[in-house]
Amino acid sequence: GQNIDQPTEMTATEGAIVQINCTYQTSGFNGLFWYQQHAGEAPTFLSYNVLDGLEEKGRFSSFLSRSKGYSYLLLKELQMKDSASYLCAVMDSNYQLIWGAGTKLIIKP
Amino acid sequence: GAVVSQHPSWVICKSGTSVKIECRSLDFQATTMFWYRQFPKQSLMLMATSNEGSKATYEQGVEKDKFLINHASLTLSTLTVTSAHPEDSSFYICSARERDTEAFFGQGTRLTVV
Repeated sequence: GQNIDQPTEMTATEGAIVQINCTYQTSGFNGLFWYQQHAGEAPTFLSYNVLDGLEEKGRFSSFLSRSKGYSYLLLKELQMKDSASYLCAVMDSNYQLIWGAGTKLIIKP
Repeated sequence: GAVVSQHPSWVICKSGTSVKIECRSLDFQATTMFWYRQFPKQSLMLMATSNEGSKATYEQGVEKDKFLINHASLTLSTLTVTSAHPEDSSFYICSARERDTEAFFGQGTRLTVV
């Protein structure tokens, strides 16, 4: 079966760095997405990785290792507004998105 | 990124009535649209996938006669919740993509059935 695993909840301090991991087992791979979702709102797109390596976009970076079925989202210089759920999703061989359950990130002052 | 507009943002309706939710891609052609629902503190659940001009493909357990999806053009898809009941109260989200690019989400619609 297809499976996406990510931690349920993480806590970090304002100004610090946090890494949210995602491991996946899917039938085929056509890219991995990270989305941010604030409570009561729709998810917003953060990043897309299809090749191995690190993609940096401002304070957020995303890493992919296809051979290990592994990705992480790295958030630097954490701000209180970064408190949200972070969703990992993989596009399988049929171009369908398989979603993880999301990681709730709590930022403390 | 591309813009997907979903309307309305929230709606309250009486039990037994129908509600239509619209999803529009404003600056690209959405060859595929997805409809999700999300219960509080749970992950997104895919309800159906629709390709422009074709019938929607529903996920297992989703009643196609209750959740009517129309994707008549490359910029508009609609979800109609027919004969809504309180258990249909949820957050409904659409997303759209052009061919095999990343999907962009609408703002979501919070439906409350009373």
